[in-house]
Amino acid sequence: KAGVTQTPRYLIKTRGQQVTLSCSPISGHRSVSWYQQTPGQGLQFLFEYFSETQRNKGNFPGRFSGRQFSNSRSEMNVSTLELGDSALYLCASSGRDRGYEQYFGPGTRLTVT
Amino acid sequence: AQSVTQPDIHITVSEGASLELRCNYSYGATPYLFWYVQSPGQGLQLLLKYFSGDTLVQGIKGFEAEFKRSQSSFNLRKPSVHWSDAAEYFCAVGGLYNQGGKLIFGQGTELSVKP
Repeated sequence: KAGVTQTPRYLIKTRGQQVTLSCSPISGHRSVSWYQQTPGQGLQFLFEYFSETQRNKGNFPGRFSGRQFSNSRSEMNVSTLELGDSALYLCASSGRDRGYEQYFGPGTRLTVT
Repeated sequence: AQSVTQPDIHITVSEGASLELRCNYSYGATPYLFWYVQSPGQGLQLLLKYFSGDTLVQGIKGFEAEFKRSQSSFNLRKPSVHWSDAAEYFCAVGGLYNQGGKLIFGQGTELSVKP
């Protein structure tokens, strides 16, 4: 069974731009979560989607948004990029209804200049 | 507030030596507990998990972890470390009340292996 895939793997953007990252979960998984990983703050939860509904949201500004499609694929969007948004963005999927056991993709490395 | 503490930022062990990585959590009830490993430039790989039952759990790659309720700990162990185990290890808690699948991670422990 194929794992979680994320595209693109690397991205360079300029401050003020917006970016969209994509995540395809493991086949059959309906829960998708997003995390931001930085050297200073570590791994922080962004949001979780289940059956196209946002089930939980972390403590991030409204510039960070996401959505989930009927095939469980998910996208996250960051508008008005800031230098501090440079990070590894990780997507995880879960086949359990409560999303507890999560399997991670390789991440998208976003650099904001 | 819920939190996870990994007291050791960096640990170096010799190949073939035993390993123990520490993890303590703060939560009012018993959460679900996880250990993940991350190699440079990669995502996180699930090593093992504890939901309930036997407090000693076995994972992949020869790792095991023991849940101790009285100490709010979930330490990861391996009897004999291989050079390929060099990576960063993260402890996480989940199953938090009314928080869906959200995981809270510790800051990670970077493991170096000496030949």
